[in-house]
Amino acid sequence: GDSVTQMEGPVTLSEEAFLTINCTYTATGYPSLFWYVQYPGEGLQLLLKATKADDKGSNKGFEATYRKETTSFHLEKGSVQVSDSAVYFCALTRSGTALIFGKGTTLSVSS
Amino acid sequence: DTGVSQDPRHKITKRGQNVTFRCDPISEHNRLYWYRQTLGQGPEFLTYFQNEAQLEKSRLLSDRFSAERPKGSFSTLEIQRTEQGDSAMYLCASRHSGGNSYNEQFFGPGTRLTVL
Repeated sequence: GDSVTQMEGPVTLSEEAFLTINCTYTATGYPSLFWYVQYPGEGLQLLLKATKADDKGSNKGFEATYRKETTSFHLEKGSVQVSDSAVYFCALTRSGTALIFGKGTTLSVSS
Repeated sequence: DTGVSQDPRHKITKRGQNVTFRCDPISEHNRLYWYRQTLGQGPEFLTYFQNEAQLEKSRLLSDRFSAERPKGSFSTLEIQRTEQGDSAMYLCASRHSGGNSYNEQFFGPGTRLTVL
């Protein structure tokens, strides 16, 4: 069945450091790919999305490119801030049914 | 539009009791989803509705779980004879099935269930 694998955390960075959180997926066909973020005490929020190969999703300085050949959707940000500290989830869906999530990666940014 | 709301936000119950959670989706959204999230894990799909029809149920949804969406608006999730393993965050999400929505689901804040 479909699945998402993302790197284990926690990831601890200093402010202004470069961030990469790896995400790979297994799915038949052409799923839509997402990154969701969960800030402390809050619900899941969509961070960015991509619906077809080579699409780049971007939002709030974060980017991820849908790579069909490597079945990956790695999240990157050039300069993280303390306010980016949260749990990040990679997810996929086919045909708008259930979202399948990875286990989440906790990011902690210190000043 | 106030987003997806869930009630209660927290529920503590004793093993064997029944509990019911409510989800109010974004008003124009015809699809509604339930997920369960345990500590250190990503959300896992339980079931979803299109309008009032329950279209898919996960293997995770045992016979003790039942979900309804009687008028195609709000939904309830009931757990009967709760067990300690049911302790989790229960998340509701909604989306509109048509248009250029890119399959985006909007999540509520969740109901945290603790079974003692």
